[in-house]
Amino acid sequence: QQPVQSPQAVILREGEDAVINCSSSKALYSVHWYRQKHGEAPVFLMILLKGGEQKGHEKISASFNEKKQQSSLYLTASQLSYSGTYFCGTVPNAGGTSYGKLTFGQGTILTVHP
Amino acid sequence: DVKVTQSSRYLVKRTGEKVFLECVQDMDHENMFWYRQDPGLGLRLIYFSYDVKMKEKGDIPEGYSVSREKKERFSLILESASTNQTSMYLCASRGGGAMRGYTFGSGTRLTVV
Repeated sequence: QQPVQSPQAVILREGEDAVINCSSSKALYSVHWYRQKHGEAPVFLMILLKGGEQKGHEKISASFNEKKQQSSLYLTASQLSYSGTYFCGTVPNAGGTSYGKLTFGQGTILTVHP
Repeated sequence: DVKVTQSSRYLVKRTGEKVFLECVQDMDHENMFWYRQDPGLGLRLIYFSYDVKMKEKGDIPEGYSVSREKKERFSLILESASTNQTSMYLCASRGGGAMRGYTFGSGTRLTVV
């Protein structure tokens, strides 16, 4: 079952902040975040392993709440270049090898205006 | 940088044709994946492979098969193309280790008429 992302879309002005959420019905081993610009391939942003880890990537950071089976992506002081569709991908905590097989959410469209 | 190359950017095929989508990666990655991307549905896993000649079904394997005869190449086969297989197809590869992300190819936009 796909994780659920919210919101489906968000519109910002440059400099504003945004939070994108990813919720799973399954216990998770890890969460990935990707950004896809229009007409391009998704690009890997970061990975979080179970343990409540928070990671940073320039002004983009993320957290992972293992107990709630949720991850959030934080974009601060947004720039025009942040526009795109953001996907979370989850790896279940299945107890066996999953080969890192990701199940992706439906995506969140982020638009940053000047 | 890892490079994942998909052989065609755009393809138009007729209903009933057998279609081959090719994907090559240049970093000796064990794991390779085929996803299709449709608006509002995100990326859905069709098949993946964790080694040469090894494959496993993903979430939507019906109507598709795959081949991995060499480590660097992973092919997606549409046995008899149908209009509901019109989509963007994305190939990805990933090396071993828990902290590795996917590297995606640029995608193949397939239209079945």
